[in-house]
Amino acid sequence: DAKTTQPPSMDCAEGRAANLPCNHSTISGNEYVYWYRQIHSQGPQYIIHGLKNNETNEMASLIITEDRKSSTLILPHATLRDTAVYYCIVSPLERGTYKYIFGTGTRLKVLA
Amino acid sequence: NAGVTQTPKFQVLKTGQSMTLQCAQDMNHEYMSWYRQDPGMGLRLIHYSVGAGITDQGEVPNGYNVSRSTTEDFPLRLLSAAPSQTSVYFCASSYSITGNYGYTFGSGTRLTVV
Repeated sequence: DAKTTQPPSMDCAEGRAANLPCNHSTISGNEYVYWYRQIHSQGPQYIIHGLKNNETNEMASLIITEDRKSSTLILPHATLRDTAVYYCIVSPLERGTYKYIFGTGTRLKVLA
Repeated sequence: NAGVTQTPKFQVLKTGQSMTLQCAQDMNHEYMSWYRQDPGMGLRLIHYSVGAGITDQGEVPNGYNVSRSTTEDFPLRLLSAAPSQTSVYFCASSYSITGNYGYTFGSGTRLTVV
């Protein structure tokens, strides 16, 4: 089972910030939080990842709570091209390797 | 730099037929993996490899075989196709097994088994 919980869908007005929440209450100390998105039926696209500090790159910001039990992906100025399914992933360590377990994600619709 | 290349893009098989889905990357990534995505579902890990000659099973390995003879290629074999294997298959690669450099996914192979 996925180790994360996300709302199934969200809407956001174009030009506004999109804040996508994720709960990962059972996260372990050495597990990272990753965010990917999937536009239409294309292959998923990496967005950002973090361990415990907030992270920012050219695509988005990642805010992780101090207890690491939840996080928020922020798209600062959403555009229509940001309409996609967004996946929050906590990668478990099994048999010495990290593997992604995808949930069903949040379907973000950016409205004109 | 082509990234991750999957072939074919579309395939229709009859039940019981076999085929190989090809995946190649030109980024010298050590880690490669195969996922399947059923309609309305998230991706599920089938098999993965942490380097040439090393493979292991993911969440849903039954009905699939893999091998990794080179760093660049990671083919997925369906020995006897079943309708339950109708899905979209994605190959992914990463510089490291932790994925801390981000995973690069291919564009997918859409497989229908009739």
